[in-house]
Amino acid sequence: KNEVEQSPQNLTAQEGEFITINCSYSVGISALHWLQQHPGGGIVSLFMLSSGKKKHGRLIATINIQEKHSSLHITASHPRDSAVYICAVAAGGQNFVFGPGTRLSVLP
Amino acid sequence: SQTIHQWPATLVQPVGSPLSLECTVEGTSNPNLYWYRQAAGRGLQLLFYSVGIGQISSEVPQNLSASRPQDRQFILSSKKLLLSDSGFYLCAWSVRGGGFSYEQYFGPGTRLTVT
Repeated sequence: KNEVEQSPQNLTAQEGEFITINCSYSVGISALHWLQQHPGGGIVSLFMLSSGKKKHGRLIATINIQEKHSSLHITASHPRDSAVYICAVAAGGQNFVFGPGTRLSVLP
Repeated sequence: SQTIHQWPATLVQPVGSPLSLECTVEGTSNPNLYWYRQAAGRGLQLLFYSVGIGQISSEVPQNLSASRPQDRQFILSSKKLLLSDSGFYLCAWSVRGGGFSYEQYFGPGTRLTVT
């Protein structure tokens, strides 16, 4: 079993739809990161959270430490949101484990 | 503001040739620095991290090495490239002492193809 799993693996949505990407992990963590990787490869950090919920524009990230689960929500999705979304967990010390990523395509 | 540079952007090298990828950070002091690799069709993997000049930790045994000759310079090297070294190499930084419980800032990456 992988330490970090994401679902779905691939997701296609119509512009304007509400999107949810899930991340589950099996180890104790100090923090969880959501990253966005654009088609050219560049990576942008979206959120870093250790509890509760964070919001930035149309993006919302939540984490449930007890259930070892996090979700990334995108409201009013837009084609420019098309990217690979990666969950990564800080599992103590310099142990940093990435999920496999969720490929999102938002169609106009 | 802080910026992170990587070069070259793309590189094609023959098997057995040496490698040197450079990463520099501007606008911050004493950062933690990281090298990651993303092989084709695979997820990101932490290769090396550094908490200070000359201090390098390796997460995965491999054909690569890293050095930090200056506070804001991080270099990834190989003496002899293998086909399996092909991939997308990303440098990143975080605030000193923060490790992975602090936000990571990524460079634009270097796409390496070993032929």
